[in-house]
Formats: sequence, C-alpha cells, structure tokens
Amino acid sequence: SQTIHQWPATLVQPVGSPLSLECTVEGTSNPNLYWYRQAAGRGLQLLFYSVGIGQISSEVPQNLSASRPQDRQFILSSKKLLLSDSGFYLCAWSVPKHSGTEAFFGQGTRLTVV
Amino acid sequence: SQELEQSPQSLIVQEGKNLTINCTSSKTLYGLYWYKQKYGEGLIFLMMLQKGGEEKSHEKITAKLDEKKQQSSLHITASQPSHAGIYLCGADGNYGQNFVFGPGTRLSVLP
Repeated sequence: SQTIHQWPATLVQPVGSPLSLECTVEGTSNPNLYWYRQAAGRGLQLLFYSVGIGQISSEVPQNLSASRPQDRQFILSSKKLLLSDSGFYLCAWSVPKHSGTEAFFGQGTRLTVV
Repeated sequence: SQELEQSPQSLIVQEGKNLTINCTSSKTLYGLYWYKQKYGEGLIFLMMLQKGGEEKSHEKITAKLDEKKQQSSLHITASQPSHAGIYLCGADGNYGQNFVFGPGTRLSVLP
C-alpha cells in the first residue's frame, strides 16, 4: 500500500534561520507531489507541485523553494524564514489517471517562526 | 487554471440541525473530492465524485455533483459536535497535474 511520510511534525524556528521540510512517498512510482500551506483559520494554498524529478512548478512568489532530488522525495526549503512563513505545511501526492484521482496527504508540519 | 469557490465561508449551527456546503468550479470537473480537516491536523478524505448527477453518502454526510459537473454540495444531516472542522473541496482538473482546493468552509456545531 502507498504511504506518505512528512517530518518533522512540529518546528519552531527563529526569523532568518533556514528551513528544510522533507516528504517521502512509498508504494508508488512517478507520483505528482505537492506542497501546501495553511495559515491559521484559512484554506489550503498550493505552493509547489512537481510532475517528475527536477521538475518544480511554483504557484506563488515567496521566499520558499522546493526540490525533488528523487522520484518519491519532495523537499521544501527556505534560506531565511520570515514571520509570515508560520503555518501548517502539508505534503501530498497523486498519480495522474485519465479518470482523475484524489490526492493523499502527509500528517503535516506545524511551523512557528519566532 | 482550475479555481474552486466554496460557500459559506463559515457556518455555525446548533447540534441536530442540517446544513449544506457548496463548491463551485470555474471549469468542468474531472473529479471532485471532499475533505475534512481540523486545523493543524491532516486531511480526512470523505468522498469522491466523478459522474454528473452522482451522489454518495457516508454516515450522515451526503455529497452530490451536478449534471454539468461544475458544482458540488455537501449535506450533513442532524449535525453533531464531531462534525466541526474545515471542509475542503478539491479538484483534479487536468489528469492530476495540479490538484487544487477551495478556500474551505469552517463549520462549528454548538451543543
């Protein structure tokens, strides 16, 4: 069966520090991978998605970046965190099918920038 | 790109009341998904709808997709405090290349 791992679960980082959140998927190959962010009390915002190794599409301009060094690994990074980067980050995967498919989510990372 | 709108933005109901949340797409939906989330936690998959006019139920929650496949509704019957949370519709509009969500509806159920 397919599983998705996301870590860490919680993170408190000072302003200006770097960030690295990792997400790995098991049990599937060539998935589409996504990073979403949810600010407190708000809906999900798509940050990045990837349809293959090294292929990253950014949905919103920001000081975050994403990388996909391996087929089932997706990393969200920042060189210098801002207070506004605080939020709940979710990694997800889906496998494209002609009939459409749902996305499956990790448990999320609660990031607090102080 | 696919855009989803949800209404209402937030909803407060008394326990035992029925309620409906709507999701509207700017484009024809290939697949429409409903999720429930409590802030700071992962998403719980509720239902997936693919065919025009399709209706699915799970416990006290029923979701429908209209014939044109551009609008879906989520109906909760006899709401309970356990139904409280954020309800999100999601859509896969182009063979899974970009899975997007609506802004969410925050539901509170008062005991």
